Amino acid sequence: SQQGEEDPQALSIQEGENATMNCSYKTSINNLQWYRQNSGRGLVHLILIRSNEREKHSGRLRVTLDTSKKSSSLLITASRAADTASYFCATPYSGAGSYQLTFGKGTKLSVIP
Amino acid sequence: ETGVTQTPRHLVMGMTNKKSLKCEQHLGHNAMYWYKQSAKKPLELMFVYNFKEQTENNSVPSRFSPECPNSSHLFLHLHTLQPEDSALYLCASSQDRSSGTYNEQFFGPGTRLTVL
Repeated sequence: SQQGEEDPQALSIQEGENATMNCSYKTSINNLQWYRQNSGRGLVHLILIRSNEREKHSGRLRVTLDTSKKSSSLLITASRAADTASYFCATPYSGAGSYQLTFGKGTKLSVIP
Repeated sequence: ETGVTQTPRHLVMGMTNKKSLKCEQHLGHNAMYWYKQSAKKPLELMFVYNFKEQTENNSVPSRFSPECPNSSHLFLHLHTLQPEDSALYLCASSQDRSSGTYNEQFFGPGTRLTVL
């Protein structure tokens, strides 16, 4: 199976600063997804970037994908205290009869007011 | 609100108890998943159901028994659990396209399970 690995494991920044998280994966993919999880809650899908895209924006989120390096980054601009959460990248793989996602361990982001 | 609900939200059980977790999705999806999330470990996929058929069982102990009576409901039956089974159990659903390209998942809020 493929697995995304996020870096850093934890990140602490001041409100208003930008936060950058990285993800590396092992094999070819057709898309990569980023999810957010507030403490003890379910994951929420943030953004999906396809393998033929290099950059994608959604509000204050900017995602890049470099398939040659098998890496992706998530940038959150002008961070807010409400952005405090764990962020996961996920890559799909073909299981037996269905398509599934493999998640990394996540980056825990703390935004200090 | 993601369109996926889970009950109960919290569950405390002894090792000899039998309990069930319930998941319901209101999104018209055809694939549903159970994940286990333990502290400091990656999200672990436990079971996958596609069109009500179990398509994946990632070496999960038999004390966890899934049931998918229809494409909207998913259960996880628990019996004789161990303390190390304490975790957040997450349910998710997706629209499983035959082309298998874009399958974002929608998660429920999870059930926090504590096994004493």
